[in-house]
Amino acid sequence: KAGVTQTPRYLIKTRGQQVTLSCSPISGHRSVSWYQQTPGQGLQFLFEYFSETQRNKGNFPGRFSGRQFSNSRSEMNVSTLELGDSALYLCASSTQGATYNEQFFGPGTRLTVL
Amino acid sequence: DQQVKQNSPSLSVQEGRISILNCDYTNSMFDYFLWYKKYPAEGPTFLISISSIKDKNEDGRFTVFLNKSAKHLSLHIVPSQPGDSAVYFCAARNSGAGSYQLTFGKGTKLSVIP
Repeated sequence: KAGVTQTPRYLIKTRGQQVTLSCSPISGHRSVSWYQQTPGQGLQFLFEYFSETQRNKGNFPGRFSGRQFSNSRSEMNVSTLELGDSALYLCASSTQGATYNEQFFGPGTRLTVL
Repeated sequence: DQQVKQNSPSLSVQEGRISILNCDYTNSMFDYFLWYKKYPAEGPTFLISISSIKDKNEDGRFTVFLNKSAKHLSLHIVPSQPGDSAVYFCAARNSGAGSYQLTFGKGTKLSVIP
């Protein structure tokens, strides 16, 4: 089974621009979560989508948004980029069913804002 | 307010000895705990988990211990191998929240010295 894939792997943007990141979950997984990893804050939860609906949202400004498509693929958008948005953005997918499911992570998208 | 804390940013251990990584949490609603390992330029990889109804879970060289009264868990790696050198993240989940959101610690960098 293919793992979680994220595109692109690397991005360089300038302040004020917007960016869209893509995530394809493991086949059959309907839950997709996004996390931001920075050296100072570790991994922080952005939001989770399940069956095209946002199920939970972390404590991030409205500039961060996402969506999920009917095939479970998900996109994350950041508008009006700031220097502090430079981070590794990780996507994770999970199966529905058992209560205690681990999340499977993709390799991440490294975003650099100049 | 950091709900999951890993107070040791780094740990060095000789090959063949035991590695003990610690994690504390403050949210009593957490009922499922996971450990992830992360290599540079890769996403976190699930290692082992434990439910709050247990106090120990073992998988090969890896054992996780949970002390609910102290809100503390630890990961033991015996024997440690150079390939275990990575950043280890402790994560927790509230399964009653209807979401797969994980709350992570900031990680502990383990170095296993040959």
